[in-house]
Amino acid sequence: DAGVIQSPRHEVTEMGQEVTLRCKPISGHNSLFWYRQTMMRGLELLIYFNNNVPIDDSGMPEDRFSAKMPNASFSTLKIQPSEPRDSAVYFCASSLTSGNDDNEQFFGPGTRLTVL
Amino acid sequence: AQSVTQPDIHITVSEGASLELRCNYSYGATPYLFWYVQSPGQGLQLLLKYFSGDTLVQGIKGFEAEFKRSQSSFNLRKPSVHWSDAAEYFCAVGPRGFQKLVFGTGTRLLVSP
Repeated sequence: DAGVIQSPRHEVTEMGQEVTLRCKPISGHNSLFWYRQTMMRGLELLIYFNNNVPIDDSGMPEDRFSAKMPNASFSTLKIQPSEPRDSAVYFCASSLTSGNDDNEQFFGPGTRLTVL
Repeated sequence: AQSVTQPDIHITVSEGASLELRCNYSYGATPYLFWYVQSPGQGLQLLLKYFSGDTLVQGIKGFEAEFKRSQSSFNLRKPSVHWSDAAEYFCAVGPRGFQKLVFGTGTRLLVSP
């Protein structure tokens, strides 16, 4: 199993540019999560999907951020326009949500975003 | 509001010594508790979880954690630390189904020779 795949692993961009982060969840998983990790705020849940449908986006910081999941094997997190304060590591995680209690989230390696 | 506190930002332990990482939580319902480890440049890996039953749970890599409801704590322990344990450790709390996990700010473990 390849695990959760994220691309790119590193992104450096200039303020005002559009940034798109990509995630491929583990095959067969039906829930997908986007997290942001910063020194100041730690690890925060931005949004999560279940069966490709956004369930909770209350953690999305503002309208500049958007996330999509067009199918079960792909999701994007887009920032437009980007700002220096968006610099962080962005993690994608996936899980198989079922009726029991064991819905472990598996994390990808993250994308380190630097906005100059 | 639910929250997780990890009071130690950094901890240094000698190789072979025992380890305890502290975690306190605030949660309105029955908590589901987790410990994750993050190695440099890597994503988070689940070490162990607790949601019911025996309050002492065993995890991977020789780690264990004890749930103490009266103290709202879920401390992580290991009897003998190895150099490869150097990493950042995160405690998290969430609802049944684990969807909205709330993470602590992490404790960075350094292992000295």
